[in-house]
Amino acid sequence: KQEVTQIPAALSVPEGENLVLNCSFTDSAIYNLQWFRQDPGKGLTSLLLIQSSQREQTSGRLNASLDKSSGRSTLYIAASQPGDSATYLCAVRPQVNAGGTSYGKLTFGQGTILTVHP
Amino acid sequence: NAGVTQTPKFRILKIGQSMTLQCTQDMNHNYMYWYRQDPGMGLKLIYYSVGAGITDKGEVPNGYNVSRSTTEDFPLRLELAAPSQTSVYFCASSYDGLGAKNIQYFGAGTRLSVL
Repeated sequence: KQEVTQIPAALSVPEGENLVLNCSFTDSAIYNLQWFRQDPGKGLTSLLLIQSSQREQTSGRLNASLDKSSGRSTLYIAASQPGDSATYLCAVRPQVNAGGTSYGKLTFGQGTILTVHP
Repeated sequence: NAGVTQTPKFRILKIGQSMTLQCTQDMNHNYMYWYRQDPGMGLKLIYYSVGAGITDKGEVPNGYNVSRSTTEDFPLRLELAAPSQTSVYFCASSYDGLGAKNIQYFGAGTRLSVL
């Protein structure tokens, strides 16, 4: 059974700092990995999606890396801002089955609560 | 551009009551999902659907039922509500093709308390 763990559970940093969020998963047979952002009282917003064949994806100040063989992903946030304060979740999708799809069944980590203070 | 819409946003139920959480999407996505999120935890899949008329169980289906009569709608039914079903419920949808079409789009959630 796939298990996803995120470290740290919470992180508080001053504005402008570069930071790294960690995600580890126990089964390396994944199709892709996604990083989501969740604001209080809101739904999840997809930030980055990395296919199993890729090593990293970048969007603006965000960079996500994937090391499938070691079961790890990191989300790097450059020059953090107070507006980055949110919960960040990673989720993995199992490898495509013989029928050609894994039906998008994501396994989520418990999230990292990020606070960026001015 | 509504995306995924969930109603209601909040609900309090008494033990043993029933209710339906509504979810609709306007992106013509084939795949739809129901998750629950307990405090300090990640999301767990309850049920999913790969198209109208086709549903299947996720990780935590007990106490819930779903139906998918149209592409747009995927309601979640709670029968005989129990305190263990107190949670935040999220509906999501995806095209579920390859690459960027894998992305799941989430509704804002329904916060349910069973007392």
